[in-house]
Amino acid sequence: AQKITQTQPGMFVQEKEAVTLDCTYDTSDQSYGLFWYKQPSSGEMIFLIYQGSYDEQNATEGRYSLNFQKARKSANLVISASQLGDSAMYFCAMRGVLRGSQGNLIFGKGTKLSVKP
Amino acid sequence: DGGITQSPKYLFRKEGQNVTLSCEQNLNHDAMYWYRQDPGQGLRLIYYSQIVNDFQKGDIAEGYSVSREKKESFPLTVTSAQKNPTAFYLCASSSPNEQFFGPGTRLTVL
Repeated sequence: AQKITQTQPGMFVQEKEAVTLDCTYDTSDQSYGLFWYKQPSSGEMIFLIYQGSYDEQNATEGRYSLNFQKARKSANLVISASQLGDSAMYFCAMRGVLRGSQGNLIFGKGTKLSVKP
Repeated sequence: DGGITQSPKYLFRKEGQNVTLSCEQNLNHDAMYWYRQDPGQGLRLIYYSQIVNDFQKGDIAEGYSVSREKKESFPLTVTSAQKNPTAFYLCASSSPNEQFFGPGTRLTVL
């Protein structure tokens, strides 16, 4: 069975510093995709970044980068130069391609990030 | 603007009532999903549909029903059989490398 584990219920970071949010996954699929979402207090889920299991380079999107270590089955999110608006819940998720080309996502329990001024 | 709309934003239900949550997308996606989120938790899959007139149960389908008569629409009915329906409900649609979410409906049982 597929599973996502986020071991940090809450994290604090000083404004303008970088922060790493941990995510480990378990799957027997050879081809899979990993996602990170941000959920502010309003409840909307905001897509941040995607990493395919066969992508050779780590994904980057602006201040977000994904530290993908396939052998360790980890997909940590790195946020550089934290801003006050980054305070939110962050969810790691995985999709198994074998379930279909557009499969559902399996989510971790999330990490609450608080950015201090 | 392309996106996913959900209505209503807030919904109150009396015990024993069925309620229907609306989800519409204009992204031309074939696949659509319903997730449930409880406080402090991640999302869990209720139902999904890969194509019109076809849908599959997710991990927590008991007490819920769906229909997919049009590509754009995937309504969710919370029936009286769902014993603990108070939660935040998110609808999503997907392309291969992204899954887009609607703004959510917060359901409270009175």
